[in-house]
Amino acid sequence: KQEVTQIPAALSVPEGENLVLNCSFTDSAIYNLQWFRQDPGKGLTSLLLIQSSQREQTSGRLNASLDKSSGRSTLYIAASQPGDSATYLCAATGYSTLTFGKGTMLLVSP
Amino acid sequence: DTAVSQTPKYLVTQMGNDKSIKCEQNLGHDTMYWYKQDSKKFLKIMFSYNNKELIINETVPNRFSPKSPDKAHLNLHINSLELGDSAVYFCASSRQQGAKQYFGPGTRLTVT
Repeated sequence: KQEVTQIPAALSVPEGENLVLNCSFTDSAIYNLQWFRQDPGKGLTSLLLIQSSQREQTSGRLNASLDKSSGRSTLYIAASQPGDSATYLCAATGYSTLTFGKGTMLLVSP
Repeated sequence: DTAVSQTPKYLVTQMGNDKSIKCEQNLGHDTMYWYKQDSKKFLKIMFSYNNKELIINETVPNRFSPKSPDKAHLNLHINSLELGDSAVYFCASSRQQGAKQYFGPGTRLTVT
């Protein structure tokens, strides 16, 4: 059974800092790994998807990496902004499911 | 255009009632899903469904049942609602099993 863990559970940084969110998963037999953003009371916004054969994906200030062998993924956010404040969820895709971590709640202060 | 839509957005009902949440996707996807996000914000899959198979998370009570009138719709029926069913329910779809999933906006269910 897949288990996904995210560290830290919460993170508070001043605007402009670069930061890294960590995700680990127990079963390396995944199709892909997705990073989502969830704002309070809102739905999920897909940020990046890394296929199991890829090592990283980039979108703007976001870069996600995947190391299947060690069961780890990181989300790097460059030059953080207050608008980045949200909960970031990591999810590992299996055949019929998406297993989520409990998220990292990020607060970027001006 | 909304890719994955859910209705209603909010649903308040009393214990013991039966209710349904509707989900529609206009992406032409073959697979649809239902997820539950509990009060601690933890998201867990409930069902995965395409026209060939239904995969049920073993922890889901049989009071919950997905019903698909066609490939674009997967509705969630809940019988004999309980207080613990209060949560946000998300529908999602993907082109096929294991592909990128697209989420609906969620339905907040409150059982009183």
